[in-house]
Amino acid sequence: SYVLTQPPSVSVAPGQTASITCGGNNIGGRSVHWYQQRPGQAPRMVISYDSDRASGIPERFSGSNSGNTATLTISRIEVADEADYYCQVWHGYSDQYVFGPGTKVTVL
Amino acid sequence: QVTLKESGPVLVKPTETLTLTCSVSGFSLTNPRVGVTWIRQPPGKALEWLAYIFSNDEKSYNTSLNSRLTISKDTSTSQVVLTVTNIDPVDTGTYFCARIISDGDPFDIWGHGTMVTVSS
Repeated sequence: SYVLTQPPSVSVAPGQTASITCGGNNIGGRSVHWYQQRPGQAPRMVISYDSDRASGIPERFSGSNSGNTATLTISRIEVADEADYYCQVWHGYSDQYVFGPGTKVTVL
Repeated sequence: QVTLKESGPVLVKPTETLTLTCSVSGFSLTNPRVGVTWIRQPPGKALEWLAYIFSNDEKSYNTSLNSRLTISKDTSTSQVVLTVTNIDPVDTGTYFCARIISDGDPFDIWGHGTMVTVSS
């Protein structure tokens, strides 16, 4: 099965930039989707297909994917961006979806 | 407006079968290539994909739980049902359903989730 890795936590000061990585073997050859989950809420899609922002998601959110690492970048971070962030890929060979372990973003 | 709503028992005893229902509105389960998927999340832990079903009845299951999961749909009631057999306390968590537009696509709309506790 395909395994994704994420740092457990990222801390950043308000107004700064947070970078959340998602590692996987040749993940650059796959499409990566990102989800935000605020405390007590359901997840919501923020980025699809590596870098497409979902409807209603601010331009401060961006994504990239190359080699063995995909990255979700949150610029000019706000307290409202505090959440868990999960990456996801589709493993077409086995028709399986895989989630990363999640990264908790704290805005200090 | 597209919405999905999960329902099911709050408490289930070990070894029993858990049956969860996802009621959808704002789209049809007969739309070409539209699918519904189930995801769960143990308290304080990560998301885990469970299964999906598409309008053409194509299905797939998480291989680690394959033998215990069954997903089905009823287009007349716009519902997707997931059953989990031989339930165990480790199955405790929030169960979400979500929409997929096509296989490989992301889960674009999610339900609020339903919390299930497995305990005797």
